[in-house]
Amino acid sequence: AQSVTQLDSQVPVFEEAPVELRCNYSSSVSVYLFWYVQYPNQGLQLLLKYLSGSTLVKGINGFEAEFNKSQTSFHLRKPSVHISDTAEYFCALRQTGAQKLVFGQGTRLTINP
Amino acid sequence: DAMVIQNPRYQVTQFGKPVTLSCSQTLNHNVMYWYQQKSSQAPKLLFHYYDKDFNNEADTPDNFQSRRPNTSFCFLDIRSPGLGDAAMYLCATSSGQGTETQYFGPGTRLLVL
Repeated sequence: AQSVTQLDSQVPVFEEAPVELRCNYSSSVSVYLFWYVQYPNQGLQLLLKYLSGSTLVKGINGFEAEFNKSQTSFHLRKPSVHISDTAEYFCALRQTGAQKLVFGQGTRLTINP
Repeated sequence: DAMVIQNPRYQVTQFGKPVTLSCSQTLNHNVMYWYQQKSSQAPKLLFHYYDKDFNNEADTPDNFQSRRPNTSFCFLDIRSPGLGDAAMYLCATSSGQGTETQYFGPGTRLLVL
């Protein structure tokens, strides 16, 4: 069985501060890893993905994530956040050869002025 | 520009009254998915179609059915909605090959009265 754990349900930060959203995963086989963002009453938008190769992945809106196989983690980072980054962020995995995405519970990022 | 389109964006139905949600895509993708997302929870896969092959998740209630009449369209039918079925329903698509990404629509929020 596979699972995704997002360690923080809510993360409040001040505008222009750095942020890290934590994600750990568990799987008996190799996986692909994803971060999605969801703005209120909208669908999910892909921020970035790790498929293979370089463990540091850069995505849209200035976000990046680092795949750490030994720690089974895929934490999302941004060096300086904006008010517009306020949203729900979901970490997800897909086992190689499978179609199903398994999501974490989400982290609500709130940016304070 | 729209790639995955869901109609309607908001749907109100009565307890026990059948309802159909619609999804269409302009990506010509092989795979179409339906996810259920309850308030403050992660999306949960209900089922997916790989071309015409229907794949149901083991824990999806029989109350939920799906149809895919052609590549572009996929429908979610809820035969007898209960209050617990109120949720956001997300449609997604992928090419079905290798390391593909799932692309999500904006979702349909279902309210059951």
